Amino acid sequence: SQQGEEDPQALSIQEGENATMNCSYKTSINNLQWYRQNSGRGLVHLILIRSNEREKHSGRLRVTLDTSKKSSSLLITASRAADTASYFCATPPQGGSEKLVFGKGTKLTVNP
Amino acid sequence: NAGVTQTPKFQVLKTGQSMTLQCAQDMNHNSMYWYRQDPGMGLRLIYYSASEGTTDKGEVPNGYNVSRLNKREFSLRLESAAPSQTSVYFCASSGHLNQPQHFGDGTRLSIL
Repeated sequence: SQQGEEDPQALSIQEGENATMNCSYKTSINNLQWYRQNSGRGLVHLILIRSNEREKHSGRLRVTLDTSKKSSSLLITASRAADTASYFCATPPQGGSEKLVFGKGTKLTVNP
Repeated sequence: NAGVTQTPKFQVLKTGQSMTLQCAQDMNHNSMYWYRQDPGMGLRLIYYSASEGTTDKGEVPNGYNVSRLNKREFSLRLESAAPSQTSVYFCASSGHLNQPQHFGDGTRLSIL
């Protein structure tokens, strides 16, 4: 069953613009993780935000978490062509399971 | 650092053939995972191993078997390949429960 759902499915922007992707989930979580996947490669972990955190930054990335709305957003500021990739949110449902559940991803294209 | 290494990178099989996908990690991680990624379906967990000596079914285990050979290695076996198993297979590992996962670059498997 799908836990996280990213929105939009695809996003195309110009270099220098900001990109915002959203993730909604269904059950209570311990943390929420964002990953990037470049074409033909494996996923790379970007950032983890715990359920008791509301915002987290890492370089040009800003992640927010609203547990009351069961949603998270990933903001990439001043995007670059190299940011072109698919972005996935992943949530481990509360209860101790290691079954991290991934959404279907947002495909971001940054045009030079 | 090699991280997570998957072999082979590409494979073509005929229906009914068997094969084993290999995965090794050099990060001393306890947990390892096998996923398949299909267009429009996101990542789906096939099997996982929470720690050396244990394996558990994920979301789509039918048609697959796994072996946690030691702490470093986790293999995935297709006993009798079917065209529906055509996919990209990813191995991942993580240190402990709910920690970020590190992915290999995948095995692209086609079954004719």
